[in-house]
Amino acid sequence: KAGVTQTPRYLIKTRGQQVTLSCSPISGHRSVSWYQQTPGQGLQFLFEYFSETQRNKGNFPGRFSGRQFSNSRSEMNVSTLELGDSALYLCASSLRSGLPLYEQYFGPGTRLTVT
Amino acid sequence: AQKVTQAQTEISVVEKEDVTLDCVYETRDTTYYLFWYKQPPSGELVFLIRRNSFDEQNEISGRYSWNFQKSTSSFNFTITASQVVDSAVYFCALRATQGGSEKLVFGKGTKLTVNP
Repeated sequence: KAGVTQTPRYLIKTRGQQVTLSCSPISGHRSVSWYQQTPGQGLQFLFEYFSETQRNKGNFPGRFSGRQFSNSRSEMNVSTLELGDSALYLCASSLRSGLPLYEQYFGPGTRLTVT
Repeated sequence: AQKVTQAQTEISVVEKEDVTLDCVYETRDTTYYLFWYKQPPSGELVFLIRRNSFDEQNEISGRYSWNFQKSTSSFNFTITASQVVDSAVYFCALRATQGGSEKLVFGKGTKLTVNP
């Protein structure tokens, strides 16, 4: 069974640009969550999608958005990039959202560098 | 507030030593879940264990064991007879409800280095 895949793995953008990251969950998984990992703030939850609907949201500005498609693949978009958006963006999938709680399986991440 | 504290930023041990990684959490939820994840240098988080708030039984899986104590809000992780391959950053996490939203709250992580 293939794991969670994220594309691209590495990305370099300049301030003010926008970026779209992609995540393909494990086959059969319908919940996709996104996390940002930085040395200063650690791992922070961005949002979770289930059945094409955003179910949960972290404390990030509106520049961070996402969506999920009918095949459960998800994309995350960051507009008007800032230097502080440089981070490892991790995607995780699980069978479903809510309780009972299923464990999340993480992808390898997309390393975004903003210059 | 929902919070996870991993007070140990870095730990260095010699192979075959036992090591305990501490995790203290704060939550007002009566039902919550605790997790441990391992992040090797490759960057991919690997799920290790999940424990719900109603199950205080300690768990052992090979060289890994977990001690969950609600009285002290702690969920500590012990590696017995550590190996070089155990070198990684370990994260403790709490699945909690905050602002009407459920999310996974992570500690800052403990970097474990096992030297040969």
